[in-house]
Parts: sequence; C-alpha cells; structure tokens
Amino acid sequence: DMKVTQMPRYLIKRMGENVLLECGQDMSHETMYWYRQDPGLGLQLIYISYDVDSNSEGDIPKGYRVSRKKREHFSLILDSAKTNQTSVYFCASSLSEGIAETLYFGSGTRLTVL
Amino acid sequence: GQQVQQSPASLVLQEGENAELQCNFSSTATRLQWFYQHPGGRLVSLFYNPSGTKHTGRLTSTTVTNERRSSLHISSSQTTDSGTYFCAIQGKLIFGQGTKLSIKP
Repeated sequence: DMKVTQMPRYLIKRMGENVLLECGQDMSHETMYWYRQDPGLGLQLIYISYDVDSNSEGDIPKGYRVSRKKREHFSLILDSAKTNQTSVYFCASSLSEGIAETLYFGSGTRLTVL
Repeated sequence: GQQVQQSPASLVLQEGENAELQCNFSSTATRLQWFYQHPGGRLVSLFYNPSGTKHTGRLTSTTVTNERRSSLHISSSQTTDSGTYFCAIQGKLIFGQGTKLSIKP
C-alpha cells in the first residue's frame, strides 16, 4: 500500500521551542518534499530532497532545516519556532524529480506556535 | 520567477452542473499537474498534463502550452467533487492559489 505518513497530525508549541516534524514513505521514492500551506497562498515549497543527504532549498527555506538520513524518512526541523510558522505542513514524495512523476502527499501536520 | 494564477478563486454550483477551472502560468510549463485537496486536507494528484487533453471519468484537463494555460473541466458535478483544486508547474512544483469548489445538492 503506497503511503506517505506524517507525524504528528496536530502540534502546539510555544515560541522559541524546537519543533520536529516527521515524514515517512514506503515506496522507496528518491525525492521528498516539504511544503507549507497557508490560507489563500496555496502550497509553498520549503525544501526538496533528492536522496539521502542530498537536500536543496525551496522557495521559503528561512527558519527551517531538514534531515534525510534514510531514503524513507525526511524530517523538518524548526529551531526556535516563531508564531509566523503556524501553518499546515505537508510532506510529499515522488519516484524521482522527473517531469512526469506523480507526487504522493501525506495528510499534513497542523502546527500552532503560540 | 514563475507565476501560477488560478481562477476563479471560488465556485459554487448546483449538483449536475459543469465546472470549469482555469490555470495560467507565466512561462512554458514543462511539467503541469492538477491536484485535488479534500475538505479534510488530503491532497491527491489528478493529472499530469503538460500539453494536450486528458480524460479520467468526469474530469478533463486541457493544456495549451503556447498560450500558457490549462483548464480542468468537471462534468455533471457531484457533491463529492467539493474541495480545492490546485494546478502546479515545473520540477519543484510551484502551486497556484487554488480554486475552492462547492457543489450544492
């Protein structure tokens, strides 16, 4: 069963705390993505990972970092979270970054930073 | 940078009516996909369609590359079609702002 799993589904943190969002996929996909979704703004790419330890900034990487030590796992880290990082975060994966590859999305993590 | 504009921002229809969603982009899109987001948040891919016309069930996507536009047509809409539809372009997928579709029974 092809699946992208995100944990946790909901998270509340205080400003200045560190945040770890986890994503896993069971399809041996090379490429993984982290997006955030804010009302009226669609999805914005934070980071893309082409394989283990091969990560690239997306459009809005500031305030975030990522880690990919295993092909099936891709983590998003917020060091010292800010209130403007309150958002819904989506992880996605694709077989490669080829132009015809379909993206598979996780169910999202709703992060609230107080 | 690349721009993706979707219209309308929202659309309300009666069940059975047809829906037409538009996507315009700022330069030739070498990779164009349509996605559907369920009201609960889950995102699924509908079409990969960088050019031409593709069909699946009641959905038809038409992309005219040299005119930098794509459309998504939903025929005989159903309440279960309600949700938000996104188009996205290029390798890293730049998303439009989406069209929120509401189908009333």
